Amino acid sequence: AQSVAQPEDQVNVAEGNPLTVKCTYSVSGNPYLFWYVQYPNRGLQFLLKYITGDNLVKGSYGFEAEFNKSQTSFHLKKPSALVSDSALYFCAVRDRNSGNTPLVFGKGTRLSVIA
Amino acid sequence: DAGITQSPRHKVTETGTPVTLRCHQTENHRYMYWYRQDPGHGLRLIHYSYGVKDTDKGEVSDGYSVSRSKTEDFLLTLESATSSQTSVYFCAIRTSGGEYEQYFGPGTRLTVT
Repeated sequence: AQSVAQPEDQVNVAEGNPLTVKCTYSVSGNPYLFWYVQYPNRGLQFLLKYITGDNLVKGSYGFEAEFNKSQTSFHLKKPSALVSDSALYFCAVRDRNSGNTPLVFGKGTRLSVIA
Repeated sequence: DAGITQSPRHKVTETGTPVTLRCHQTENHRYMYWYRQDPGHGLRLIHYSYGVKDTDKGEVSDGYSVSRSKTEDFLLTLESATSSQTSVYFCAIRTSGGEYEQYFGPGTRLTVT
């Protein structure tokens, strides 16, 4: 079975400070990993993905994420937070060998960047 | 939004009435999904489709049915709406190719009174 955990419901960070949103996953094989962002009253927007190769993945809006196989983690990071980064963030996973099964999403982490 | 539209965008209905939500895509994607989003639960899969007339259940399928008679349209029906089905419903498609990222529509906010 596939699962994702986002251990923090809420993350608060001051503008200009680095931010981290945590994600851990569980799959039986090797994972495809994704981050999505949701702004108020909008659908989810794709941010970045890890498929294979370099463990540090860069995505939209200056975000990046680091895949750590030994810790089964895929934390989202940004060196300098902006107030406009305030949103709901979702991590998702899919086992590469699971056929055509859909992505499994975490429960989301609300990021609040304070000016 | 990857050419995905949802209708209606907002609906208020009474308990016991049938409701159909429509998802329409313009890019001929094979895979389509219906999720519901609720506070504290994140996104939960209701049903998905892997082709015309090919559908399968997700983790919260009870009380919902789907149909896909054309590639571009994926319908979600609540046969007899209940207050527990008050939620925001999102449709998604999956891109072709190996990575399987999904793209989402703008959502439908459904209130069952």
